[in-house]
Amino acid sequence: SQTIHQWPATLVQPVGSPLSLECTVEGTSNPNLYWYRQAAGRGLQLLFYSVGIGQISSEVPQNLSASRPQDRQFILSSKKLLLSDSGFYLCAWRGQGAGDEKLFFGSGTQLSVL
Amino acid sequence: AQSVTQLDSQVPVFEEAPVELRCNYSSSVSVYLFWYVQYPNQGLQLLLKYLSGSTLVKGINGFEAEFNKSQTSFHLRKPSVHISDTAEYFCAVSDLSSASKIIFGSGTRLSIRP
Repeated sequence: SQTIHQWPATLVQPVGSPLSLECTVEGTSNPNLYWYRQAAGRGLQLLFYSVGIGQISSEVPQNLSASRPQDRQFILSSKKLLLSDSGFYLCAWRGQGAGDEKLFFGSGTQLSVL
Repeated sequence: AQSVTQLDSQVPVFEEAPVELRCNYSSSVSVYLFWYVQYPNQGLQLLLKYLSGSTLVKGINGFEAEFNKSQTSFHLRKPSVHISDTAEYFCAVSDLSSASKIIFGSGTRLSIRP
């Protein structure tokens, strides 16, 4: 069966420090991968998605970047965190075939930038 | 580009009363539509989805939604709610020109009063 791992669960970082959040999927190949940020009253904001290794689509110009160095690995990064980067970050995956439209979410990372 | 609007941020209803959570979308092409639910302290899970065919879609826990192309809506309904339906509900859309890109609405918090 497929599983998605996201870590860390919580993170407290000072302003200006770098960030690296990692997400890996097991039990499937060539998934679509997503990074969302969830904020109260704003729902889930799509940050990045990827349909294959090295293919990243950015939805919101901001202080973050994403990379997909391996088929089932998706990394969210920042060189210098801002206070506004605080939030709850969710990784998700779905299959690429017809009928695979359902998203499966990780357990999330609560990021606090102080 | 597609977008999703959930006009009601909060919907309070009495137990056993009917409920409708509204969702409107914007897209220049055909779409897939979804409702996800997030119970307190839990991850998101798929409630139901519309891909094609019958415009009335039935999901888990007695919920259903109707796709209305002319009104670009996909409202979620339940004839009689239970305390256990207390959760946040998210509408999502992906259009067929970029089925990998899945956009969520801002969410509707459903609170059930005994």
